[in-house]
Amino acid sequence: DIVMTQSPDSLAVSLGERATINCKSSQSVLYSRNNENYLAWYQQKPGQPPKLLIYWASTRESGVPDRFSGSGSGTDFTLTISSLQAEDVAVYYCQQYYNTPPYTFGQGTRLEIK
Amino acid sequence: QVQLVESGGGVVQPGRSLRLSCAASGFTFGAYALHWVRQAPGKGLEWVAFISYDGSNKYFADSVRGRFTISRDNSKNTLYLQMNSLRVEDTAVYYCARSHGDSGYDHSLDVWGKGTTVTVSS
Repeated sequence: DIVMTQSPDSLAVSLGERATINCKSSQSVLYSRNNENYLAWYQQKPGQPPKLLIYWASTRESGVPDRFSGSGSGTDFTLTISSLQAEDVAVYYCQQYYNTPPYTFGQGTRLEIK
Repeated sequence: QVQLVESGGGVVQPGRSLRLSCAASGFTFGAYALHWVRQAPGKGLEWVAFISYDGSNKYFADSVRGRFTISRDNSKNTLYLQMNSLRVEDTAVYYCARSHGDSGYDHSLDVWGKGTTVTVSS
């Protein structure tokens, strides 16, 4: 199974500053036939289900603010929030959906305001 | 609107069974693969099970394989998770979720239910 490892486990960033969360997969999630990375990012606020932010590693889901961006390829990925807003306080998860399941999640990164 | 609503959670003793349901509305249910994802109290997300759009392909996490089964009734727009031989460590909020794409390739999860809580305790 592919193991997803996020870093850091928690992060405190000042309002308006950049937040960066990393995700590393134990094997490549890049599918050569379509050149897509099978990697998604989710945001989960307390008491709510997760919300899809980014899929195909860098495609923003409809309605997601453009301050959220995803990058990376192969085994190393990054979620960046360009200018942190108060409503971005949440836990963020990466997930791989490469090939057949299991579609494993990272352990999560808790983002707080400094 | 597009919606998934889980039901069937509750408190159950170890070794017993429970069946969760997930009722869908607002989209063509039979065109999408579906998943169960769970979250133990204070913990992260754990992917649990997958079923293809037509029910022909099913996959499970190692932690539940052989104990849980997944099924769907496309005529009723409903997804199920049959959980047998429950363990204390199965205690969690169980979410059903939809694969993002109907092409069979994009299995990011774009629609989630609010979850149903399963507590396994003696």
